[in-house]
Amino acid sequence: KNQVEQSPQSLIILEGKNCTLQCNYTVSPFSNLRWYKQDTGRGPVSLTIMTFSENTKSNGRYTATLDADTKQSSLHITASQLSDSASYICVVSARGGYQKVTFGTGTKLQVIP
Amino acid sequence: DGGITQSPKYLFRKEGQNVTLSCEQNLNHDAMYWYRQDPGQGLRLIYYSQIVNDFQKGDIAEGYSVSREKKESFPLTVTSAQKNPTAFYLCASSIDSRSLDTQYFGPGTRLTVL
Repeated sequence: KNQVEQSPQSLIILEGKNCTLQCNYTVSPFSNLRWYKQDTGRGPVSLTIMTFSENTKSNGRYTATLDADTKQSSLHITASQLSDSASYICVVSARGGYQKVTFGTGTKLQVIP
Repeated sequence: DGGITQSPKYLFRKEGQNVTLSCEQNLNHDAMYWYRQDPGQGLRLIYYSQIVNDFQKGDIAEGYSVSREKKESFPLTVTSAQKNPTAFYLCASSIDSRSLDTQYFGPGTRLTVL
């Protein structure tokens, strides 16, 4: 069964600090991995997408890494801001289209002043 | 929210009633999706549509129905057969259903059964 596990479940950090969120998956055959940001009560917004051949992708202060051999990904947030407070969802797609997408349960990040 | 609108934002339903959630997109996307989000769980696919007048069941289609009469619209009906309908419902669209295409999500509808 395809699974995506994220850790930690929740995280509180001080404004300006860095943090790293983890994602482990067992989806096969692998197509791509995305990180989404979801503000409370809103729809998710795509941050990055990585395919099998990519191991790093940046979007401003967000940097995602992918190790396809160990089936692990991380999302690193640099110099956190209060607006980074949200849930971050790891989403892994198997080859075959969007009907083969598995969503993680998310990491809830709170940035405090 | 990328040109996708959902209404209403909050919806209350009595047990035994059917309710319809609206989803409209102006992105000219062929593919549209409905997901359900529950606390502590990842999004789960209810239905998806790759083209007008065609739709497919997702992982948890029981108790739900959809239609795709127009490219822009993909309404979801939550029927009385859905045993636990209280949840946050998200609609999304993408250019087509290839997994490399970015999905754009609407703002969601929170449904509560009284």
